[in-house]
Amino acid sequence: ETGVTQSPTHLIKTRGQQVTLRCSSQSGHNTVSWYQQALGQGPQFIFQYYREEENGRGNFPPRFSGLQFPNYSSELNVNALELDDSALYLCASSLEPGQGPYEQYFGPGTRLTVT
Amino acid sequence: SQQGEEDPQALSIQEGENATMNCSYKTSINNLQWYRQNSGRGLVHLILIRSNEREKHSGRLRVTLDTSKKSSSLLITASRAADTASYFCATVRPGTYKYIFGTGTRLKVLA
Repeated sequence: ETGVTQSPTHLIKTRGQQVTLRCSSQSGHNTVSWYQQALGQGPQFIFQYYREEENGRGNFPPRFSGLQFPNYSSELNVNALELDDSALYLCASSLEPGQGPYEQYFGPGTRLTVT
Repeated sequence: SQQGEEDPQALSIQEGENATMNCSYKTSINNLQWYRQNSGRGLVHLILIRSNEREKHSGRLRVTLDTSKKSSSLLITASRAADTASYFCATVRPGTYKYIFGTGTRLKVLA
């Protein structure tokens, strides 16, 4: 078990609604990345936050947004939910990017179902 | 789109046998990492190999990296039922912090 926690565990939303997912990073880690994992696929990088600033973004529309707080916890917000947003959302914490990407510690994920 | 492609997509072996899975990627990398995922839960980091390394060992795991072929392999020796999981490779291009995961290999170890 890593020290990364996510809430909620499961969530059901209706198309068009908005959702906020939360992540607490492992102690000592100041970098958080978010991923979307569709069933049977590998995780897709959404974005990364380092010291409260977005540090990189994948191919996701602006309705996917995030925040990182001074204690390095993080939120993922998704507006105007679509059916294709149904997936497992994973957050991962790591040491600062520094000289090279470090190993990531993943939380257990939030399973989002959009109906 | 995903940069990495794991091969095979699925693998079924008997307990005690070795399991080998391969990962191919498309661009230059800083390092390559392997992760395990049990039953659609969070991923667990297994091993990291840097672009200037060719082979690395950790317990029953052996990873090789061939940057000229843009490929890596993960060998699990003396497999156990508890090794049943999906295995993913992940790469990061130099100058970016965007982790790219492959499509995964689903390993089933039969007792």
